[in-house]
Amino acid sequence: KAGVTQTPRYLIKTRGQQVTLSCSPISGHRSVSWYQQTPGQGLQFLFEYFSETQRNKGNFPGRFSGRQFSNSRSEMNVSTLELGDSALYLCASTLGTGVAGELFFGEGSRLTVL
Amino acid sequence: GNSVTQMEGPVTLSEEAFLTINCTYTATGYPSLFWYVQYPGEGLQLLLKATKADDKGSNKGFEATYRKETTSFHLEKGSVQVSDSAVYFCALSDLGRGSTLGRLYFGRGTQLTVWP
Repeated sequence: KAGVTQTPRYLIKTRGQQVTLSCSPISGHRSVSWYQQTPGQGLQFLFEYFSETQRNKGNFPGRFSGRQFSNSRSEMNVSTLELGDSALYLCASTLGTGVAGELFFGEGSRLTVL
Repeated sequence: GNSVTQMEGPVTLSEEAFLTINCTYTATGYPSLFWYVQYPGEGLQLLLKATKADDKGSNKGFEATYRKETTSFHLEKGSVQVSDSAVYFCALSDLGRGSTLGRLYFGRGTQLTVWP
């Protein structure tokens, strides 16, 4: 069973640019969540999508957005990049229903903003 | 609100030593508690979980007991190995008002290094 796949794994951008990250969840999983991981702030929740609808959102500015497609694949976008957006962006998938259980994480997309 | 506090690292141990990583939490509802592990260059993976008070989660020799009275979920292992070197995260899922299955609240992580 294939795991969560994130692309690209590494990317470098400059301030002011925008970036799109992609996440393919485990087959059958309908919920995709995104997290930002930095040394200073740790793991912070960005948003969660379920059946193409955003059902939860963390405390991030509107420059951070996402979407989910009918096949459950998800993308997140960061516009007008700032130096502080440099981070490891992790995607996680889960079935999305029932009791709290395991999130399955991808290996992440490491974004460097210069 | 919901939050998780875990002991600061790094933790450095010799092989076969006893490990404890402390974790305490604050939650508004009835949380489920988790320990995740992140090996170098990899994403997080679930190590163990407990969904109600007094439950004990266990996996790969690691154990943690959900203590509601002390709001704690400390991770323990009796004899660590070099291969246990990683970053360990305590987390909670609180399905009270405003939260969803995909949202976990994580501690800051504890780096564990085990020397042979």
